[in-house]
Amino acid sequence: DTEVTQTPKHLVMGMTNKKSLKCEQHMGHRAMYWYKQKAKKPPELMFVYSYEKLSINESVPSRFSPECPNSSLLNLHLHALQPEDSALYLCASSWGGGGLTSYEQYFGPGTRLTVT
Amino acid sequence: EDQVTQSPEALRLQEGESSSLNCSYTVSGLRGLFWYRQDPGKGPEFLFTLYSAGEEKEKERLKATLTKKESFLHITAPKPEDSATYLCAVQGNAGGTSYGKLTFGQGTILTVHP
Repeated sequence: DTEVTQTPKHLVMGMTNKKSLKCEQHMGHRAMYWYKQKAKKPPELMFVYSYEKLSINESVPSRFSPECPNSSLLNLHLHALQPEDSALYLCASSWGGGGLTSYEQYFGPGTRLTVT
Repeated sequence: EDQVTQSPEALRLQEGESSSLNCSYTVSGLRGLFWYRQDPGKGPEFLFTLYSAGEEKEKERLKATLTKKESFLHITAPKPEDSATYLCAVQGNAGGTSYGKLTFGQGTILTVHP
């Protein structure tokens, strides 16, 4: 099974709201990722967690706060977002087991976020 | 800096009309090249990983090939359900770990008409 699940599917929030996106995988993958994708553009990396530790932050504004409670779960906490943050937010996971082999990433279906 | 260029931007085919999508890349030490398919409003679906020049992989009507500078995704006798955006991505040597940043191309939008 190569399934990554994400909730919610859709989210509408005001600029003063606080909300969270959730991601789960049960493939035993050790690396998990958050991406942002705007219409007609490729996914843009935001964060990478490896073995539950944040290893890459692509200079993402602090209004996005990632969290990895355990090896299967990844959250993205949202606060004081701007309308330009509206996008499809994708979670992905891969083996990332510490060796040098490059492993494919498996993506979830995404959360469509609209900031009003 | 790693770079990926995909061509054409859009491709319209008749059902059964075979063609190829191109992915040209520059990377400091290729560790993996990945092909994904993405349907509108959904997450990318993994298709293939290629690691070294000369490698080929097949899945149903799709065949991916790799040279030192580019990769091709060949589509044989496509069907309307093959319509999607096809994304190519590379991972280079930066970081020296098995996880990390993928550099994506802009994608090729494939439309197959019945």
